[in-house]
Amino acid sequence: GAGVSQTPSNKVTEKGKYVELRCDPISGHTALYWYRQSLGQGPEFLIYFQGTGAADDSGLPNDRFFAVRPEGSVSTLKIQRTERGDSAVYLCASSPRQGSYEQYFGPGTRLTVT
Amino acid sequence: GEDVEQSLFLSVREGDSSVINCTYTDSSSTYLYWYKQEPGAGLQLLTYIFSNMDMKQDQRLTVLLNKKDKHLSLRIADTQTGDSAIYFCAETAYSNNAGNMLTFGGGTRLMVKP
Repeated sequence: GAGVSQTPSNKVTEKGKYVELRCDPISGHTALYWYRQSLGQGPEFLIYFQGTGAADDSGLPNDRFFAVRPEGSVSTLKIQRTERGDSAVYLCASSPRQGSYEQYFGPGTRLTVT
Repeated sequence: GEDVEQSLFLSVREGDSSVINCTYTDSSSTYLYWYKQEPGAGLQLLTYIFSNMDMKQDQRLTVLLNKKDKHLSLRIADTQTGDSAIYFCAETAYSNNAGNMLTFGGGTRLMVKP
């Protein structure tokens, strides 16, 4: 079956611009996570959705970052006034339900802020 | 906060065994994972172990957990060139009622020489 998909695969933007990154989870998975992986590091947690609600956004670095999941499936990570330090690979993972120990990752979106 | 540490690099010859080590600090860790990341690809879940186990074997992969020392290892038997990748150790303090965000180590780059 189809795995987690993310679009675009690559995004180059200028400093100060607004970007949206999309995640399509595995069909039927109710839990969705966003992580950020900077060069040479492991992924770091950003935000967790259970259904439509952001159940834990403690990993978002500041208020320029926001994410939505209006219908409980597709999620969009939004970054305002991008900075060069936002350059990273943004990974999305989905999980069958709240409390499941398995997370399945998408290929990521590589964001480059020039 | 939680911390997960891994050595940066491991080089082995094809056919040898590889052992990748990881230490963690969170005593409430309940699930520990090994993920594989190939260049330009997302994270592939290789295996996981529940904290009440001390060993898990899955084909060429053997996971050992020393909960007292908070030490996790991944042994790959008969290492092949296709095993060359970055391996991430991760942990979560599992909860039935909340998100299970993963805390990752920085990754170990495994290089397999023919």
